[in-house]
Amino acid sequence: QVTLRESGPALVKPTQTLTLTCTFSGFSLSTSGMCVSWIRQPPGKALEWLALIEWDDDKYYSTSLKTRLTISKDISKNQVVLTMTNMDPVDTATYYCARGSGVRYLDSWGQGTLVTVSS
Amino acid sequence: QSALTQPRSVSGSPGQSVTISCTGTSSDVGGYSFVSWYQQHPGKAPKVMIYDVSKRPSGVPDRFSGSKSGNTASLTISGLQADDEADYYCCSYAGPFTLIFGGGTKLTVL
Repeated sequence: QVTLRESGPALVKPTQTLTLTCTFSGFSLSTSGMCVSWIRQPPGKALEWLALIEWDDDKYYSTSLKTRLTISKDISKNQVVLTMTNMDPVDTATYYCARGSGVRYLDSWGQGTLVTVSS
Repeated sequence: QSALTQPRSVSGSPGQSVTISCTGTSSDVGGYSFVSWYQQHPGKAPKVMIYDVSKRPSGVPDRFSGSKSGNTASLTISGLQADDEADYYCCSYAGPFTLIFGGGTKLTVL
């Protein structure tokens, strides 16, 4: 059974750096073809894809946010970490991690974690 | 990159069929066969309903079907049921190794 769980601060201040961790089980990110993506959803708004890391450590980012994002993985801990710099109130959203079948689709999602950016 | 275009809302009565469109460009929807659709109930995580334009993951009822013509993909739900009421999002590969979502469609079962 594949599970993913996001963790991180519920509240960050403007200009701070956000660090989110996705802890997963039921698959290995060292298996060929596996990848994990981060997606966010502002309250009442649409989903937005942020970043993806592949089994071979290739990393890809949203064009509009790539200067602020860093994605990494720790195979031994079954974790994927996303950092986002220079947080702004418009970054308030529920952040999800999801397992991907390459770039084809996202087949398993975490329950999401709400991050509020406010002073 | 702008989000894919979906109708804000659609509705239908139980037993009827509805179709949700998802319009992109030749750089995303029209250029690849990697369109997926997600169902999201309030307060819940999205769930994949269709992938690779028209394939259904195991466990998804065959009432859900997908198709694509040119730069527009479509999700059709037949035999509408109350539990189908949710938000639906399309997603497409937009190369290189980027994904783009639609703006979402709220389905109301009357």
